[in-house]
Amino acid sequence: QSALTQPASVSGSPGQSITIPCTGTSSDVYAYNYVSWYQQHPGKAPKLMIFHVSNRPSGVSNRFSGSKSGKTASLTISGLQVEDEADYYCSSYTSTTTGIFGTGTKVTVL
Amino acid sequence: QVQLVESGGGLVKPGGSLKLSCAASGFTLSDYYMNWIRQAPGKGLEWISYISSRGTPIYHADSVKGRFTISRDSAKNSLFLQMNSLRAEDTAVYYCARAPVGAMIDEPLFDFWGQGTLVTVSS
Repeated sequence: QSALTQPASVSGSPGQSITIPCTGTSSDVYAYNYVSWYQQHPGKAPKLMIFHVSNRPSGVSNRFSGSKSGKTASLTISGLQVEDEADYYCSSYTSTTTGIFGTGTKVTVL
Repeated sequence: QVQLVESGGGLVKPGGSLKLSCAASGFTLSDYYMNWIRQAPGKGLEWISYISSRGTPIYHADSVKGRFTISRDSAKNSLFLQMNSLRAEDTAVYYCARAPVGAMIDEPLFDFWGQGTLVTVSS
């Protein structure tokens, strides 16, 4: 598999919660708890938001949370804010090759 | 604080060469796995190379193997990417990124990123 599958776009209104799914296979997301999530604003470098499925690095808002069920990992953003509008990428360790990224999801705040 | 600053990007003709640099500050680069990740215009992220804290193993993605070489200079606390035989499809922003201590080999986990440097391959 060359990339994890994410929806191209997800949108929500300020204050709402949204969830971004990241679907892999039995060789990556399903088998390992090494899923990370990155936020990327236009023209900026990616920023680590979640690692090892559900852990937040220091300084990341607790409005961001991660989970996993089967072959699908998810990033949930609660209390959506204007500054959350960005692209989001998942990534996972895989047994078949060097780790892979997701296809990316554009989050729009309506 | 931790900082990564890339340089060396620019416009190059197909078949040409470029050498990217990534200057690290706030930490000792040779204590960490260091990585190059690229992003073609409007596209997703592609992990193309890493060098371990011990100097080996070194990884290059199939898309760049035999053409790109990652290296580092501990005295300069810097990471490099020598890019030869460049192709139009190598056009991208190139980021250097650090893997945190404890990350598994081949785990795409990066806690600090540089701002990126744009490489454009065009005649």
